[in-house]
Amino acid sequence: QKEVEQNSGPLSVPEGAIASLNCTYSDRGSQSFFWYRQYSGKSPELIMSIYSNGDKEDGRFTAQLNKASQYVSLLIRDSQPSDSATYLCAVKDSGGYQKVTFGIGTKLQVIP
Amino acid sequence: EPEVTQTPSHQVTQMGQEVILRCVPISNHLYFYWYRQILGQKVEFLVSFYNNEISEKSEIFDDQFSVERPDGSNFTLKIRSTKLEDSAMYFCASSVARDYEQYFGPGTRLTVT
Repeated sequence: QKEVEQNSGPLSVPEGAIASLNCTYSDRGSQSFFWYRQYSGKSPELIMSIYSNGDKEDGRFTAQLNKASQYVSLLIRDSQPSDSATYLCAVKDSGGYQKVTFGIGTKLQVIP
Repeated sequence: EPEVTQTPSHQVTQMGQEVILRCVPISNHLYFYWYRQILGQKVEFLVSFYNNEISEKSEIFDDQFSVERPDGSNFTLKIRSTKLEDSAMYFCASSVARDYEQYFGPGTRLTVT
């Protein structure tokens, strides 16, 4: 059973601070990694994808991937109250499969 | 911006009844998926569909479930003889290719009474 682990939180940060969200995964062969944002009662909304080791930046978001450590992270700079949501780490299974395995998500609270 | 759409947004049904959940994937996408999320739990993969056939399914996707692409735009999930434990949010997703990002629809909340 392939696992994606996240701290469910809540993670509370003050407005304007950097929020750091972390994820580990068990499938050593995985090549595709995604971060989704999910507001309460809504569907997952894709924020970032990352496929190579290192950092990938998109606006206030930076995804970091370390395949050797089986670790993915998401940094949110200048956090805003509207960033308050649950952030889902998702990892595509290796071996030619199409299934994406999701973590439980980390609930982020940005305090004004 | 193209998006995945789903109907209905909320479906209430009685135990033992059949339901059909509908999705319109993004038009140039080739891979289609169904996921479900029971309240407070993880998003779980149900099935993927490519080239008019199931390409992968999870252990959740048993004989009670079926999928179909009845025309060039719709993608449906049928649940026969619904159970109380089928109550969940059901999300349709699509991707342009196998290893690429999956974009989710708004979901259908299924309530089985």
